[in-house]
Amino acid sequence: AQSVTQLGSHVSVSEGALVLLRCNYSSSVPPYLFWYVQYPNQGLQLLLKYTSAATLVKGINGFEAEFKKSETSFHLTKPSAHMSDAAEYFCAVRGSGTYKYIFGTGTRLKVLA
Amino acid sequence: EAGVTQFPSHSVIEKGQTVTLRCDPISGHDNLYWYRRVMGKEIKFLLHFVKESKQDESGMPNNRFLAERTGGTYSTLKVQPAELEDSGVYFCASSLSGGIETQYFGPGTRLLVL
Repeated sequence: AQSVTQLGSHVSVSEGALVLLRCNYSSSVPPYLFWYVQYPNQGLQLLLKYTSAATLVKGINGFEAEFKKSETSFHLTKPSAHMSDAAEYFCAVRGSGTYKYIFGTGTRLKVLA
Repeated sequence: EAGVTQFPSHSVIEKGQTVTLRCDPISGHDNLYWYRRVMGKEIKFLLHFVKESKQDESGMPNNRFLAERTGGTYSTLKVQPAELEDSGVYFCASSLSGGIETQYFGPGTRLLVL
């Protein structure tokens, strides 16, 4: 069965500091992996997705994630945090042959001035 | 292009009452999904429509939940009778068919059952 683990339900970083949000997955088939962001009172917005092409995936707003099969990880990074990055971030996996996403529990990012 | 819309944005009802949530997908999207997030937990899949047909309803918690998709357009999710544990945020998403199509999510409906 597929699963996603997001380490850290809350992460705080200073403005301008590196953002690192962790995601580990479990999948018996080659996975498709996604990072979504939810700003207050809005829906989930796709940041980026991995679909077995390049292992380093670049997304919107300066975010990127690297697929590491050996570590079963898909961590999200951004070199320099901005106040507007404060939101909740969700990692999700979708296995081959299925449409449904399996989500992690989410990580709420706080950016300190 | 309009995104996925959901109505109402919030609903507060008493245990035993009925609530109907509505989702309007992005025009042209054959795939429509319902998910739910109970407070503090992960977002969980409920079911998947392809046009008007239920493709996968493996995540529906019990027979108090009924989802329909009239004519392959908008969808409704009815909870009858509502229980306390049904409280949470209900998300709808839609996608095109084929390949690894991105699911586009609506803002969700926050349901509180008292």
